Amino acid sequence: AQSVTQLGSHVSVSEGALVLLRCNYSSSVPPYLFWYVQYPNQGLQLLLKYTSAATLVKGINGFEAEFKKSETSFHLTKPSAHMSDAAEYFCAVSGLKAAGNKLTFGGGTRVLVKP
Amino acid sequence: EAGVAQSPRYKIIEKRQSVAFWCNPISGHATLYWYQQILGQGPKLLIQFQNNGVVDDSQLPKDRFSAERLKGVDSTLKIQPAKLEDSAVYLCASSFSPGQVLHSGANVLTFGAGSRLTVL
Repeated sequence: AQSVTQLGSHVSVSEGALVLLRCNYSSSVPPYLFWYVQYPNQGLQLLLKYTSAATLVKGINGFEAEFKKSETSFHLTKPSAHMSDAAEYFCAVSGLKAAGNKLTFGGGTRVLVKP
Repeated sequence: EAGVAQSPRYKIIEKRQSVAFWCNPISGHATLYWYQQILGQGPKLLIQFQNNGVVDDSQLPKDRFSAERLKGVDSTLKIQPAKLEDSAVYLCASSFSPGQVLHSGANVLTFGAGSRLTVL
C-alpha cells in the first residue's frame, strides 16, 4: 500500500523568499515520486519526477526536489518565489510499473505569494 | 500534441439526477484514469483502464458510478443517481501502458482540465 502526507495545507511566502513544501511517503516497494501543480480551474501539470536515478531532481519553473530514502521524504523547494507560483501543489507516489502506475496523491498544499 | 480533452467543464444538477462526463485521452495512450477531487483534497482514483479493460475500480462506488471505454480510446463516466457528496472535480488522465514505458521507468500521467460537478 502507498500513501503520501503533505505537511501544511497552506503556505504563505513573500515574493523572492524560499518556497519549501514538505512531502513524506509510505511505500512497500521502491517508489516513483512526483510533484504536480494545479492552477485555478485547471488540471494537474507535472513539475518533476523521481525515478531512482539522481536523488536531486530538477523540474520546471525553477523547482527542485530531493529524494531522501532514510527520511521517506521528497520535499519540494524553489529558492525565490514568484507571484506566478501561487497555486496548489500535490505530491504523489506510484509503485512499480507492473502495478499499473496509478498515482496516490497527498492532500495538497496551497501556496500564497505575498508581494 | 493535443492534450486530454474533457467535457463538460461545468455541470450543475440536483440530487438524484444523472450526469455523464466524457474524456478523450492523448493519442497513443493505452491507459486512462478517472480521478475524483473533492474541494480541499487530493485527487482520488476512481477507475483505471488499460485499453478497454478495467485494471482497478476498487474505489468506484459501483452502486451509482459507472464507466466505460468501449473502443479503448474515449471514455465516459456516469453518475446515477447523484448525491450531494458527489460534488467534486472529475479529472481524466492518460498515460502509456506499463508495457510501453520507456527506459526512464516511471510513467507520467497527463491530466485534462477536469469537469466540475455541483450537486444541489
